[in-house]
Amino acid sequence: EDQVTQSPEALRLQEGESSSLNCSYTVSGLRGLFWYRQDPGKGPEFLFTLYSAGEEKEKERLKATLTKKESFLHITAPKPEDSATYLCAVQASGGSNYKLTFGKGTLLTVNP
Amino acid sequence: GAVVSQHPSWVICKSGTSVKIECRSLDFQATTMFWYRQFPKQSLMLMATSNEGSKATYEQGVEKDKFLINHASLTLSTLTVTSAHPEDSSFYICSARVLAGGPVEQYFGPGTRLTVT
Repeated sequence: EDQVTQSPEALRLQEGESSSLNCSYTVSGLRGLFWYRQDPGKGPEFLFTLYSAGEEKEKERLKATLTKKESFLHITAPKPEDSATYLCAVQASGGSNYKLTFGKGTLLTVNP
Repeated sequence: GAVVSQHPSWVICKSGTSVKIECRSLDFQATTMFWYRQFPKQSLMLMATSNEGSKATYEQGVEKDKFLINHASLTLSTLTVTSAHPEDSSFYICSARVLAGGPVEQYFGPGTRLTVT
């Protein structure tokens, strides 16, 4: 069974204070690892897809990296508008099943 | 691009009635659509996967006779909660995947808040 564990559950940062969120996963074969951002009362917003160990992707203040066991979402010089829950999900390879298994998320709060 | 809409955004219904939620891909055709449920401060739990023109595949523990899913076209899927009860109150979110051969990402709708009184 595919499993995704995110840590920490919650993280408070001061504006400009860089940090990283962790996503550990176990999957029989990885088709892709996904990062989403979710604001309260909204659906998840797609951020990144990572396909293989060593891959990195960046978008503004966010950078996602992937190893064979975990992924990190690095947040550089965060701003209050980066406050949200960040979700990690994996998709197993093989067949036509494209379902996602999500972690419980990290609630990020950035104080001005 | 890759915009998914849901309607309604929120709904309140009485116990025993049925509620239909629509999920539309606005600017792309979706081979597959997914329905998730999210309880407060919990992550998304997949309920079912639907492919256009075929029966939905339900996750273990999800009652297919209670949560009816219809994927009538490449841009529309509906979830009907039949004989709703207060424990069905939740945030329901759909997602869509582009046509086969495209990226594997799923794009999510804004969600529908269902409250059963």
